[in-house]
Amino acid sequence: GAVVSQHPSRVICKSGTSVKIECRSLDFQATTMFWYRQFPKQSLMLMATSNEGSKATYEQGVEKDKFLINHASLTLSTLTVTSAHPEDSSFYICSARAFSIGEQFFGPGTRLTVL
Amino acid sequence: GENVEQHPSTLSVQEGDSAVIKCTYSDSASNYFPWYKQELGKRPQLIIDIRSNVGEKKDQRIAVTLNKTAKHFSLHITETQPEDSAVYFCAASKGGTGNQFYFGTGTSLTVIP
Repeated sequence: GAVVSQHPSRVICKSGTSVKIECRSLDFQATTMFWYRQFPKQSLMLMATSNEGSKATYEQGVEKDKFLINHASLTLSTLTVTSAHPEDSSFYICSARAFSIGEQFFGPGTRLTVL
Repeated sequence: GENVEQHPSTLSVQEGDSAVIKCTYSDSASNYFPWYKQELGKRPQLIIDIRSNVGEKKDQRIAVTLNKTAKHFSLHITETQPEDSAVYFCAASKGGTGNQFYFGTGTSLTVIP
């Protein structure tokens, strides 16, 4: 199956700093990638849809100025958490669909801890 | 938009028994219904999926059924094993790589040895 990588897998940062998370599709081109946030024992909450070459589409309640998404190429999308605060601590997962109808392939996730 | 509901939120079964998880969806245009298994701290992994032109699909101990008229689909795991313990998510989607998945709230399955 298609492979999606994510980097870093774990990051600890101080409050007020910015953190960038990379999501790459390794063996397919993804015009669209998805960013999720997951709190412990909860479902995947879609934050935004990342579109190659255009602006991301954010879900209601997600601050676009805080969670900056850039989809610079067909294989790379980045999520930058700006001015991170402890409440931003969470598990962030990206995903992409390789085919028009089929599964969504997930990255391994990034555990963000803001001190 | 689509609304996916999943039940139960937690499920405990004895090893060897069957487990059933049910989901409903609201958008009749949805045509793809995957089930993901997520172990603690890991990425969701697809375990089985079904498309709207099929009513049932089976893969060894796992099966999924779809009732398009009633807009519900179910995951069936037979002969459960301790390694089946995980959180299971259902999802609904329309075709197209740009179309998002709408996930259910998850079911935490515990298989008791």
